[in-house]
Formats: sequence, C-alpha cells, structure tokens
Amino acid sequence: KAGVTQTPRYLIKTRGQQVTLSCSPISGHRSVSWYQQTPGQGLQFLFEYFSETQRNKGNFPGRFSGRQFSNSRSEMNVSTLELGDSALYLCASSLDGTGSEAFFGQGTRLTVV
Amino acid sequence: AQKVTQAQTEISVVEKEDVTLDCVYETRDTTYYLFWYKQPPSGELVFLIRRNSFDEQNEISGRYSWNFQKSTSSFNFTITASQVVDSAVYFCALSDPQTGANNLFFGTGTRLTVIP
Repeated sequence: KAGVTQTPRYLIKTRGQQVTLSCSPISGHRSVSWYQQTPGQGLQFLFEYFSETQRNKGNFPGRFSGRQFSNSRSEMNVSTLELGDSALYLCASSLDGTGSEAFFGQGTRLTVV
Repeated sequence: AQKVTQAQTEISVVEKEDVTLDCVYETRDTTYYLFWYKQPPSGELVFLIRRNSFDEQNEISGRYSWNFQKSTSSFNFTITASQVVDSAVYFCALSDPQTGANNLFFGTGTRLTVIP
C-alpha cells in the first residue's frame, strides 16, 4: 500500500510569490490534514479536508488556503509569501474522523528568501 | 483548550539503557485520543500508537511500552534497551474531538539521542 506522497520535497521561493504544495493520501483515506513545522512554533495545524470540504482550520492568516479534489488529493496554497513562512509542511492522511490514525508524508520544505 | 506538554526537550542515553519520555496533556473533553509519533532526520512523522480516553490499559509493542494514566493526565512512553536507531524526535499529540475533524495538538517534542 503506497504511503502519503507530498510534492515537491523542496522549494525555494522569493518573498511576495505564491506557492502550491500537493499531497496524495493513502488510497481509501478521505481525510487530509496539513501542518506547519517550524523550530520556533513547533507543529501547528493548518486545516483539514474531508470529502472535499474543509472541516476545521487552524489559526493562520487567510494567505494560507487549501482544497481537496474528488480523488482525495489535496493542495495547499500560500500567497504573498513571507520569510516567516519558511517551514516544513506536512500532510497527514487518515481514514475519516476524529481519532483516526493519521499517517504523514515526508513533507515539503519551503524556504522563502 | 487542548494542550500537550513534553517537558523534556532533549535526552541522551547510552545504548541499551531504558528511557522514558514524558507527556502531560490538558483537555476538558471526556472523549479524546492520544498519540505518539517519531520523527527521524528524514522528517516524516511515523505513527507509533493511538489510545482513546476510555482505554487505560498499558500497551507493550516490542521494546516500546506506553503508560496511560487519566488520573494524572499523562501518557508516558518507555523504550527498553534503547538502540541507536531510536534516535529521533518524539512527539506526543492530542486529538480535538469538538469539530469531528482529524486535527492534532502536538507537544514540542523530545529529542532522543542514543549514544553507541
């Protein structure tokens, strides 16, 4: 069974640009969550999608957005990049709701210069 | 609000020693889930265990064991006879059952270094 796939693995962007990250969940999983990991703030929840609907959103500005497609693949977008957006972005795939085991991808490391 | 505290920032042990990683959580919910994840240098979070709030039985899986105590709001993780491959950052996490969404609140992690 294939795991969670995140692309790209590494990205370097310039301040002010926008970026789109992709996550393909485990086959059959309908929930995709996104997390930001930084040395200062640790692991923080961004948002979660289930069957193409956003069910919950963390405390991040509107520059962070996401969507989920009918095949459960998800994308997250960050517009008007800031230096502070440099982080490891992790995607988690789970079967359905609260308490389901969440399996993570290897992440996309975004560097904003 | 949900909160997870991992007071130990870094731990170093010599190979074959036992080590316990502490996790204390706060929640007002009666139903919740607790998790442990391992993050090796590659960056991927590796699922280790999930425990729901109604199941206080301790669990053992090979060299790993978990002690869940609701009375003290703790969910500690012990590695027996540690190995170099156990070196990683370990995260304890708590689910947020309010929304039905599967989002987790993570502790700040404990970096474990096993010295050969």
